[in-house]
Amino acid sequence: AQSVTQLDSQVPVFEEAPVELRCNYSSSVSVYLFWYVQYPNQGLQLLLKYLSGSTLVKGINGFEAEFNKSQTSFHLRKPSVHISDTAEYFCAVREAYTGTASKLTFGTGTRLQVTL
Amino acid sequence: DGGITQSPKYLFRKEGQNVTLSCEQNLNHDAMYWYRQDPGQGLRLIYYSQIVNDFQKGDIAEGYSVSREKKESFPLTVTSAQKNPTAFYLCASSIEGIAGVNEQFFGPGTRLTVL
Repeated sequence: AQSVTQLDSQVPVFEEAPVELRCNYSSSVSVYLFWYVQYPNQGLQLLLKYLSGSTLVKGINGFEAEFNKSQTSFHLRKPSVHISDTAEYFCAVREAYTGTASKLTFGTGTRLQVTL
Repeated sequence: DGGITQSPKYLFRKEGQNVTLSCEQNLNHDAMYWYRQDPGQGLRLIYYSQIVNDFQKGDIAEGYSVSREKKESFPLTVTSAQKNPTAFYLCASSIEGIAGVNEQFFGPGTRLTVL
């Protein structure tokens, strides 16, 4: 079984400042990792994913994340945030290579609040 | 446009009533999922289905039921046995067996409130 920890429930940041949202996972097997964004009263939208290969993954809206196997982390970063980035961000993990339904385990989410 | 639709967007129910949430997808995905979202708890898996006429319980299936009679449809019934049904419900789908895919696509959600 896998688990995901998002240590920060809320992250306040000023517009144009950099931001890092932290995600740590636990698993005894190889995993795929995902970051999703959720705007108020909407569904989730995929930001980026790590399946294999380069540990630095670039996603939409200028976000990127780095997979660190030794530290079991997959932190999300953006060098300069915008007001429109205000949303809830979820890290998720699933077992790799199963070939069956991709059961995801989600973290509890981090609310990014961008202010002027 | 391909995607996942959920209806209704808002739903109100009296205690003791069963209610069914609709989820339809035209992405030709094999797998479909239902999640419940509560503040501060992230998403928790209720039921999932890998193929038509087959489904499995997730982590919090008690008080819920599903059916999968068609590939594109995966309705969720919240029964009166669910003790705390007020929540935001999200439906998702995915396609398996294709390298480089694997992510789940989400619908816009249904907010259920029990009065």
